[in-house]
Amino acid sequence: EIVLTQSPGTLSLSPGERATLSCRASQSGRGSYLAWYQQKLGQAPRLLIYDTSSRATGIPDRFSGSGSGTDFTLTISRLEPEDFAVYYCQLYDNSPAVTFGGGTTVEIK
Amino acid sequence: QLQLQESGPGLVKPSETLSLTCTVSGGSISNSDHYWGWVRQPPGKGLECIASINYSGTTYNSPSLKSRVTISVDTSKNQFSLNLSSVTAADTAVYYCARWVSRGNWKAFDMWGQGTVVTVS
Repeated sequence: EIVLTQSPGTLSLSPGERATLSCRASQSGRGSYLAWYQQKLGQAPRLLIYDTSSRATGIPDRFSGSGSGTDFTLTISRLEPEDFAVYYCQLYDNSPAVTFGGGTTVEIK
Repeated sequence: QLQLQESGPGLVKPSETLSLTCTVSGGSISNSDHYWGWVRQPPGKGLECIASINYSGTTYNSPSLKSRVTISVDTSKNQFSLNLSSVTAADTAVYYCARWVSRGNWKAFDMWGQGTVVTVS
């Protein structure tokens, strides 16, 4: 079973700053597909990125995803006030298995 | 616009079976590009995928919950359901139903219900 580790646990930044979130898989899966979600308090998660770097419908271009193999990154180029939230990565591999990371909280500094 | 709505008891006794239904509106559940799944989130914790199913009944189950989970689909009602047996306090969580896209390299949950709180006590 693949384990996803997200770091840091909490990121304290100011609006306008750049956020870099990491997601590391314990092993490279067979045909792995990486997604990122944003979750605000009391709300359901929202899909931001799928297939490592493709933005979901309606997602602003300040959100970008990158990576391959076991190391993946979500970058928010300039934080807007509404971006302060918890972010989860999720991996699908063809075994099949769906795994979520533990989350990174982006908080206002 | 597609909407998903969870329904079911908010309180379940230990050792009993948790039963939830998700009603899909604004679109058909019978689409070969989609699976329909359940994700839960214990209080203050992260997300866990429980199971998913497509319109023809093909399922995916989390290995850790597989022995206690039954997932089913009713295309005539545009609904899918989750049964989780032998529940304990560890099953207390917000339960979300969600649509899983399985199209090319798109493998993710793109639409979510609002979630329903289930307490085991």
